[in-house]
Amino acid sequence: DIVMTQTPLSLSVTPGQSASISCKSSQSLLHSDGKTYLYWFLQRPGQSPQLLISEVFNRFSGVPERFSGSGSGTDFTLKISRVEAEDFGVYYCMQSRQLPLTFGGGTKVEIK
Amino acid sequence: DVQLVESGGGWVQPGGSLRLSCAASGFTISDHYMDWVRQAPGKGLEWVGRTTNKANNYTTEYAASVKGRFSISRDDSKNSLHLQMNSLRTEDTAVYHCARWDYDYLDVWGKGTTVTVSS
Repeated sequence: DIVMTQTPLSLSVTPGQSASISCKSSQSLLHSDGKTYLYWFLQRPGQSPQLLISEVFNRFSGVPERFSGSGSGTDFTLKISRVEAEDFGVYYCMQSRQLPLTFGGGTKVEIK
Repeated sequence: DVQLVESGGGWVQPGGSLRLSCAASGFTISDHYMDWVRQAPGKGLEWVGRTTNKANNYTTEYAASVKGRFSISRDDSKNSLHLQMNSLRTEDTAVYHCARWDYDYLDVWGKGTTVTVSS
């Protein structure tokens, strides 16, 4: 199985500042089809996860431009510029390069 | 509106069985790969299993932790998905979400249904 490791475990951010989350995979997520199957989700308290970013850097429909994804191979980053109140919650990275799908342990972003 | 609604959760003793359902609205479930993902209390997300779409013969895959105990099925006439869970263990206690794959992304998730396995 591909192991996904997220850091940090938690992040305390002042609204208006930026935040960055790292996700590392135990194997390359680059598929022979040329796509890299790395996703980012946000789970707000009491809600189901919602897709933010697909295939490393593609913002999902309706996701604000302040969210950006980058990286390649095994190292990936989610950056939130100018964090807003609605951005607080737990962020997960996920790989679908191969089954089983695996998720990072989550990064809790809290208000400072 | 595209929506998934899970039901069927509850309390069951170890060794017991439960059947979860996932009702889809706003889209045709047979066109999509569908996954089950669970979240134990205070923990992260864990993939449970998948069923492919009609075009790919509804094949299924499962996480090692549930293989042989859990089974995914569909009811196209009701536009719904099911997760049959047998030989339940305390470690299966979780909120169970169904989720839709649209092309290359998991774009719609249900709110989940809670399963508690305890004596």
